[in-house]
Amino acid sequence: AQSVAQPEDQVNVAEGNPLTVKCTYSVSGNPYLFWYVQYPNRGLQFLLKYITGDNLVKGSYGFEAEFNKSQTSFHLKKPSALVSDSALYFCAVRAWFSGYSTLTFGKGTMLLVSP
Amino acid sequence: SAVISQKPSRDICQRGTSLTIQCQVDSQVTMMFWYRQQPGQSLTLIATANQGSEATYESGFVIDKFPISRPNLTFSTLTVSNMSPEDSSIYLCSVPGSRTGVGDGYTFGSGTRLTVV
Repeated sequence: AQSVAQPEDQVNVAEGNPLTVKCTYSVSGNPYLFWYVQYPNRGLQFLLKYITGDNLVKGSYGFEAEFNKSQTSFHLKKPSALVSDSALYFCAVRAWFSGYSTLTFGKGTMLLVSP
Repeated sequence: SAVISQKPSRDICQRGTSLTIQCQVDSQVTMMFWYRQQPGQSLTLIATANQGSEATYESGFVIDKFPISRPNLTFSTLTVSNMSPEDSSIYLCSVPGSRTGVGDGYTFGSGTRLTVV
């Protein structure tokens, strides 16, 4: 079964510093990987995806993620964090449920960026 | 990508009552998905709703508790029945990002924050 793991409940970083939010995956076949962000009292917003092609994927708000097949990882990164990046981040992978494909999510990582 | 209007955005309900959540999509979609996000938890798929057929429920979720309607290709409702405090969660609907499939990701509604007292 497809699954993703986010080993950190919370990541703390100072504004201006680089940030990394970790994600590892377990799938059979080629993975379709996604990152979403959830701000307080808001729905999920799509950040970026990896389907195929370049291992470095660029997304919204200056975020990028690196697909590493040998390490089965898809870490989210940003060169310089902003206080406004503070939110809950979810890694997700395409999974099959009862014959339909949708997403299965990691438990989420809270990112806190301090001024 | 599709735009979803979900309502209500939040509600506080008495135990034993029911709440119906609505999702309206601005384009026709074959599949709609309903998720639950319990406090401090990740998202869990409740069911997949196809137009013209009964919803398909995932393990741990049953139709009597979470009846779903899908009257057309742009609309769906999820009802949380006979509520208890354990049903306090955020409920979200989702649709594929495009007609071409999962490669364009998924779009989510803004969520319904339900508190049962």
